[in-house]
Amino acid sequence: AAGVIQSPRHLIKEKRETATLKCYPIPRHDTVYWYQQGPGQDPQFLISFYEKMQSDKGSIPDRFSAQQFSDYHSELNMSSLELGDSALYFCASSFGNRGPRFEQYFGPGTRLTVT
Amino acid sequence: TQLLEQSPQFLSIQEGENLTVYCNSSSVFSSLQWYRQEPGEGPVLLVTVVTGGEVKKLKRLTFQFGDARKDSSLHITAAQPGDTGLYLCAGAEFTNDYKLSFGAGTTVTVRA
Repeated sequence: AAGVIQSPRHLIKEKRETATLKCYPIPRHDTVYWYQQGPGQDPQFLISFYEKMQSDKGSIPDRFSAQQFSDYHSELNMSSLELGDSALYFCASSFGNRGPRFEQYFGPGTRLTVT
Repeated sequence: TQLLEQSPQFLSIQEGENLTVYCNSSSVFSSLQWYRQEPGEGPVLLVTVVTGGEVKKLKRLTFQFGDARKDSSLHITAAQPGDTGLYLCAGAEFTNDYKLSFGAGTTVTVRA
């Protein structure tokens, strides 16, 4: 079965540079979520989109922005990168974004290293 | 503070032993998911429980949702080295059922 696709899998950037992470949800999924996971931590919710509109916002820095496109893929844009932004970034997708059975399926993640 | 408290934080057992991981909260959830995550990889959904008191079995894994829908447990029978990983519980509250809150995770190590 098709899974969530993320690209790139690894990214190395220098401080103050920008980065763009891409996420392709499971076919027919209409909701995309972005998470940041530091070493030894649980995933921290950043932002989500339902039907191309922002549906919820978590602890996303103002330096970051994201959007969901007409084909439901999403991009997370990160500017003025800081050392503390080094982490695993996960995208998850779901069909619908609420209700007792809504489930999120995670991609393999993008490991961002800021030097 | 975490909405979902997982215990224990770390668990190291010998192959063939049983283990139980707990996920507790003071909030009521419309659903609760368990994920397993390998280092450097994304969490993989294992199960979703929806009904209070529900028990689901996945081979040697048994998942239970508390009657009050505030807690859950994951029990592994005859653990194998392949069960090693980070186990995360995540829940969607009734009041915010579009948002998934994660526990801090339990790192399970099964020694051969």
